[in-house]
Amino acid sequence: DAGVIQSPRHEVTEMGQEVTLRCKPISGHDYLFWYRQTMMRGLELLIYFNNNVPIDDSGMPEDRFSAKMPNASFSTLKIQPSEPRDSAVYFCASCFRDTDTEAFFGQGTRLTVV
Amino acid sequence: AQTVTQSQPEMSVQEAETVTLSCTYDTSENNYYLFWYKQPPSRQMILVIRQEAYKQQNATENRFSVNFQKAAKSFSLKISDSQLGDTAMYFCAFTQTNTGNQFYFGTGTSLTVIP
Repeated sequence: DAGVIQSPRHEVTEMGQEVTLRCKPISGHDYLFWYRQTMMRGLELLIYFNNNVPIDDSGMPEDRFSAKMPNASFSTLKIQPSEPRDSAVYFCASCFRDTDTEAFFGQGTRLTVV
Repeated sequence: AQTVTQSQPEMSVQEAETVTLSCTYDTSENNYYLFWYKQPPSRQMILVIRQEAYKQQNATENRFSVNFQKAAKSFSLKISDSQLGDTAMYFCAFTQTNTGNQFYFGTGTSLTVIP
C-alpha cells in the first residue's frame, strides 16, 4: 500500500478564498483523523471518522471548517473563507482498530494563507 | 480527560551518546497504548516504538527503548548510540480503544544530535 496520501503538499491562498485539503487513507482502515500542527499549539485533533461517520468534531475551530468522508477511500477538509491564522500543516491519519494500534500519517499539507 | 505532557521542549545529545526523553500521561483507564513518533524536517510522522499498557515488559526497537512506569503514568524514550539522523521532533502519544479511539499527543521535544 502507498500509505496515507494527502494532496496538495503545499497550498498558498489569499485570505477569503476557499481551501480544500484531500486525504486518501490506507485501504481497509476504518478510522480517519484530521490534525492541525502549529508551533504554538502543537498537534490538534480537528475531527475523526469511523466507517465514514464523523465521531467527534469538537476540535474543529469554527464554522469556517468542515470535513466530509463520502466513502472509505476519501476525505476532505474544507476551510471557507480562509484566514491567515489558519496557516499550519494539516495532517490526515488512518488506522484499523482491530489489528493496528498506531495511527499512520500522511505527509501533511502545508497551508499558507496570505 | 486524557492528557500527554512532554516537559522538555528541546534537548541535545552528542553523537554516539545516550539520551532520554520524558513523557507523562493521565488517564483513568487501565487498557491503553503509548507511542513515540519521530518527525524529521521532512515533517513525515514516523512511528518509533509502541507499548501496550497490559505488558509489563518495556518495548525495544534496536537503539530505541522505553521505560514504562504504569503506576507513575510515565513513558520515557531512551535513544542509545545517537546518530545524526535521529535529529527530529519526538512526540509522545496515547490512545485507548474502549473510549473514543482518538490519539492524544504531547507538545513534542526537539532533539538535536551534535556531531
